[in-house]
Amino acid sequence: DVKVTQSSRYLVKRTGEKVFLECVQDMDHENMFWYRQDPGLGLRLIYFSYDVKMKEKGDIPEGYSVSREKKERFSLILESASTNQTSMYLCASSPNPGLAGANEQFFGPGTRLTVL
Amino acid sequence: GENVEQHPSTLSVQEGDSAVIKCTYSDSASNYFPWYKQELGKGPQLIIDIRSNVGEKKDQRIAVTLNKTAKHFSLHITETQPEDSAVYFCAASRGGSQGNLIFGKGTKLSVKP
Repeated sequence: DVKVTQSSRYLVKRTGEKVFLECVQDMDHENMFWYRQDPGLGLRLIYFSYDVKMKEKGDIPEGYSVSREKKERFSLILESASTNQTSMYLCASSPNPGLAGANEQFFGPGTRLTVL
Repeated sequence: GENVEQHPSTLSVQEGDSAVIKCTYSDSASNYFPWYKQELGKGPQLIIDIRSNVGEKKDQRIAVTLNKTAKHFSLHITETQPEDSAVYFCAASRGGSQGNLIFGKGTKLSVKP
């Protein structure tokens, strides 16, 4: 079974702190994604990566950065956490699109981040 | 920009009834349409998906239909059970992307015993 793990289930940080959220997948997937999930807003894409050291902005990248130094690991960084970044953060991975197009994304359990 | 609209936002049914969730998308190049189920405290999990060359797909009590002309697709759950209670998300692939998906805002389904 594909497994996507996230470093913490719950995290509480203070405004202005630098926050690292880690994600690891064990299926050798090329693509990795970071989403945030807020009530009534669904899943919104923050950043994604389709290869080591490659990154692309998603729909809401402001206030975030990412790092992908190894294929299996994708980190989300909040340079200076703010209260409006309190949210559920979900990591996902998928193999490259095949001839038929995009493939299933496999999600981790999520990290609920609270910024005080 | 690209968008996926999902309705209804909440749905309550009696056990044994059917449930239908509908989504519309805007990107004509979308060709992959997955549905995810998210149980409390867990990440979303794929339950069924359909590609643009197929109009309907069924897996036991779950079916998905796709109308490419109208740009809408629907999830049908028959003989609902209390364990079907969860939040369901539809999604559509972004044309020309590396497998990126655009998600609907979700439907909270409650199945009353």
